[in-house]
Amino acid sequence: NAGVTQTPKFRILKIGQSMTLQCTQDMNHNYMYWYRQDPGMGLKLIYYSVGAGITDKGEVPNGYNVSRSTTEDFPLRLELAAPSQTSVYFCATRFAHYGYTFGSGTRLTVV
Amino acid sequence: GQQLNQSPQSMFIQEGEDVSMNCTSSSIFNTWLWYKQEPGEGPVLLIALYKAGELTSNGRLTAQFGITRKDSFLNISASIPSDVGIYFCAGQDTGNQFYFGTGTSLTVIP
Repeated sequence: NAGVTQTPKFRILKIGQSMTLQCTQDMNHNYMYWYRQDPGMGLKLIYYSVGAGITDKGEVPNGYNVSRSTTEDFPLRLELAAPSQTSVYFCATRFAHYGYTFGSGTRLTVV
Repeated sequence: GQQLNQSPQSMFIQEGEDVSMNCTSSSIFNTWLWYKQEPGEGPVLLIALYKAGELTSNGRLTAQFGITRKDSFLNISASIPSDVGIYFCAGQDTGNQFYFGTGTSLTVIP
């Protein structure tokens, strides 16, 4: 049982490039989330989804887009990468009021 | 948005010592969660609390859901080097929104 799988684990982007961070879960959880974690900081919510076809903005959505065409997948898209988007990105799922299950993260550097 | 105040921000302790950290919110929460994050990994759930006053243990870890429903505490007894990491609290408010604390970085000195 893989849980939450994020790819890639590491990526270096040049300013202005675009990329998609992939997140896949096999737990059939409806809720999925994207967080970013800056050095020494807590988790900030970028986007979330309460089910396939439904997405909503979190605390820091600017510069990102998401889609949720299936229960399993919740990709995060960066269109024009900026240095401020250098961070570690975590995808997570949740079932009802139980706790989150996190992926192992994607470390992104924009230069 | 909701802010969770987690303290202390960092701790440096000797192996064998006990550790206490806490998290407070400005509003009432229905659920409190405690996570541990090791370097290069995502947070992993340690303990979940669902009722005011609840006291739950997981090995050497004990967490409590505060009576006021605005705070929670995590204690680690007899710390060992593998306890090193960042500990996050998270809470779910009455609107079913989850919020994370800023973390407590724990260093255990052998």
